Amino acid sequence: GENVEQHPSTLSVQEGDSAVIKCTYSDSASNYFPWYKQELGKRPQLIIDIRSNVGEKKDQRIAVTLNKTAKHFSLHITETQPEDSAVYFCASNRDDKIIFGKGTRLHILP
Amino acid sequence: GAGVSQTPSNKVTEKGKYVELRCDPISGHTALYWYRQSLGQGPEFLIYFQGTGAADDSGLPNDRFFAVRPEGSVSTLKIQRTERGDSAVYLCASSPTGAKGELFFGEGSRLTVL
Repeated sequence: GENVEQHPSTLSVQEGDSAVIKCTYSDSASNYFPWYKQELGKRPQLIIDIRSNVGEKKDQRIAVTLNKTAKHFSLHITETQPEDSAVYFCASNRDDKIIFGKGTRLHILP
Repeated sequence: GAGVSQTPSNKVTEKGKYVELRCDPISGHTALYWYRQSLGQGPEFLIYFQGTGAADDSGLPNDRFFAVRPEGSVSTLKIQRTERGDSAVYLCASSPTGAKGELFFGEGSRLTVL
């Protein structure tokens, strides 16, 4: 079945530094790749997404890159801030559903 | 309300009991999803509705789990003969575009089976 592999599972970065989270997917038919942020005890919320017809998308401090050939996509957060501390999930679509990775817990260190 | 509403927010039950979890999606969203999230894991797909019909129920773990959406709006996830391993947060999400765009999640129903 469709697997979305995500790493690292935990990431600690100094405030102000950049964070990168990487994912791979297995279904070559996937064409939509969202990223969700989940704060402790809260619902997952979409922060950025990318479709297979583009290789990169940026929104202020966050950016996502997609390599369709390698079936890799990554989330980049620059100038990290304390409020970036959360769990981040990558996902991809397969048929009519969204499949999520296991998540990366991001800690921003003061 | 403006968002996806799920009730109850917390449910504690005993092993072997029957539970129902309710999801009220955003008005006008035809696509509705149920996911299960265990501690430290990502949301695990259970079932997808497009309108009233279950378009994909391949994620339901076994026949103790069933979901309905009789009028194409509110959905109920039903779990029979609950087991301790069913303990998790059950998330509902709705979308106007299905798997081509954003899923709007509810706050979830935390189920604890003793």
